[in-house]
Amino acid sequence: GESVGLHLPTLSVQEGDNSIINCAYSNSASDYFIWYKQESGKGPQFIIDIRSNMDKRQGQRVTVLLNKTVKHLSLQIAATQPGDSAVYFCAETSTGANNLFFGTGTRLTVIP
Amino acid sequence: NAGVMQNPRHLVRRRGQEARLRCSPMKGHSHVYWYRQLPEEGLKFMVYLQKENIIDESGMPKERFSAEFPKEGPSILRIQQVVRGDSAAYFCASSPRQTNTGELFFGEGSRLTVL
Repeated sequence: GESVGLHLPTLSVQEGDNSIINCAYSNSASDYFIWYKQESGKGPQFIIDIRSNMDKRQGQRVTVLLNKTVKHLSLQIAATQPGDSAVYFCAETSTGANNLFFGTGTRLTVIP
Repeated sequence: NAGVMQNPRHLVRRRGQEARLRCSPMKGHSHVYWYRQLPEEGLKFMVYLQKENIIDESGMPKERFSAEFPKEGPSILRIQQVVRGDSAAYFCASSPRQTNTGELFFGEGSRLTVL
């Protein structure tokens, strides 16, 4: 599979600030993207997804932005809380595929 | 509704031994996916199974690794003659249908350490 990479391997933010985690993908055939949160010792937990026919999707305190022109994906977390501390992965796939391609992850640390 | 259950959570093996990892999908789910995660890396797809069938094993190493999902009982990922490079976390995910979307639910993983 093609690589899914993240610009920042670590990110530290103050509690209450907004966080932005970035992801670059290279497979132009990918049409579906997911952000996962993985806490230490646990499995990935779905946060939010977006299809390639959209450029923005909002959830509770989270927003995903997709820029297909530059193959870039970002996750914005509003009012970051200590419980948001985790490793965040973007994953890409395409319709009909059986598997997800995961990036290497960004470790988010929230400073109280 | 219990989530995806994996056991053992931690497994230590010596080189050359066999490792068996088990995954019980969520109730009502008949599709199981196995992923491997090396330290500080993202998950990598290994195999996708339905009951009694391997649908996609494109991510499985050609030797020593096998997977099954019998009609009754959990899915098993089996690694024969383990080597140090097999040390990783192995995650199982399940879904009610063939999917690569947010309907995929991951277990907490089995962490294999090969001495």
